[in-house]
Amino acid sequence: GESVGLHLPTLSVQEGDNSIINCAYSNSASDYFIWYKQESGKGPQFIIDIRSNMDKRQGQRVTVLLNKTVKHLSLQIAATQPGDSAVYFCAENGGTSYGKLTFGQGTILTVHP
Amino acid sequence: GAVVSQHPSWVICKSGTSVKIECRSLDFQATTMFWYRQFPKQSLMLMATSNEGSKATYEQGVEKDKFLINHASLTLSTLTVTSAHPEDSSFYICSASSGGGNTEAFFGQGTRLTVV
Repeated sequence: GESVGLHLPTLSVQEGDNSIINCAYSNSASDYFIWYKQESGKGPQFIIDIRSNMDKRQGQRVTVLLNKTVKHLSLQIAATQPGDSAVYFCAENGGTSYGKLTFGQGTILTVHP
Repeated sequence: GAVVSQHPSWVICKSGTSVKIECRSLDFQATTMFWYRQFPKQSLMLMATSNEGSKATYEQGVEKDKFLINHASLTLSTLTVTSAHPEDSSFYICSASSGGGNTEAFFGQGTRLTVV
């Protein structure tokens, strides 16, 4: 079936750097995308979402970019902090309900002090 | 914000027994709940979609007779793993959505199941 994938499984950055996590999706019907942060032993924590009628959305220290032409999604974290260390997942809805999600493989972000 | 709570947070059970996991929406009515499974160092995989008062819809490859889902109220869904085996050991996560699934779903904290 169609799936969401990630280019980089791990990312190590220094505290204060900007981080960019990438995600490729294959389902052209997807119209809702979300980035989640997951810490060890916990459920996914919502970071930011974007709908297909937008190509950029900003939150606090985070920005999501959506390129529907190449089916690519990215999460930018500004001034990365040690507390940002976690696994980050992109997810897409396949054009179905906003809650029925297909998750990417995940990127492990490690922030070094 | 919307809060979804799972219980228990972790459970250890003997092989062959059944275990029930609860998913509750604490401050909103969840017409739709979703159950995911996550193996170590892997991503979340959707198991089933549950609408209040209806039978759950299972994803391909998920055994409906093994993973019994009940969504009898707008604030509670349960997942029962029947005749559990060690290969069922996993992290089970639910999410809940109001508005029939056309609104954002909120995740619970997950339940770690270990079958010995």
